[in-house]
Amino acid sequence: RKEVEQDPGPFNVPEGATVAFNCTYSNSASQSFFWYRQDCRKEPKLLMSVYSSGNEDGRFTAQLNRASQYISLLIRDSKLSDSATYLCVVNKRSYIPTFGRGTSLIVHP
Amino acid sequence: GAVVSQHPSRVICKSGTSVKIECRSLDFQATTMFWYRQFPKKSLMLMATSNEGSKATYEQGVEKDKFLINHASLTLSTLTVTSAHPEDSSFYICSARATSGDSPDTQYFGPGTRLTVL
Repeated sequence: RKEVEQDPGPFNVPEGATVAFNCTYSNSASQSFFWYRQDCRKEPKLLMSVYSSGNEDGRFTAQLNRASQYISLLIRDSKLSDSATYLCVVNKRSYIPTFGRGTSLIVHP
Repeated sequence: GAVVSQHPSRVICKSGTSVKIECRSLDFQATTMFWYRQFPKKSLMLMATSNEGSKATYEQGVEKDKFLINHASLTLSTLTVTSAHPEDSSFYICSARATSGDSPDTQYFGPGTRLTVL
């Protein structure tokens, strides 16, 4: 089983839709969790950290479920500019990051 | 957010030559930097963890003699691809971990270096 697993998609949604991605991780000792966004041929950019209490930033909501070892990202009111690959990142105790392979989102008019 | 620069952004070289890539944290100090490579439509693969003033820690399967890493200061790490071959062609990305602030384990990525070996 891979350390961090994501459905690669693509998720093809119309503008205005709500879309959710999940990411599962295998190491129960994982300490910190992030969602990054990567556009084609560009570097990943931090979207948000993920906390057990859940956190929200505008249209984006991230949740962590330690018991089931998954994190989620919810995007409301999708925009065309949200089209990208969303990477789940899980840090182990030594802060060594493990990336999921990413979930591709395509928002169409 | 914190800024990480990478140079060069793109390099084309002949097989057998060596290529040096620089990664700099511009507005923060980074005791730890990471080097990744990414093939098209694939996830980032961690190559090595670079700690300032000490030897890099390489991931399994990554040749340390081929990918030389030097982290001489708190703001600069370099990756040298020695005797490059066409199979080394890839997108190389560095990241730096902020050691202070609200999220000390957040990584900030450089813009990447696209290496093409002919």
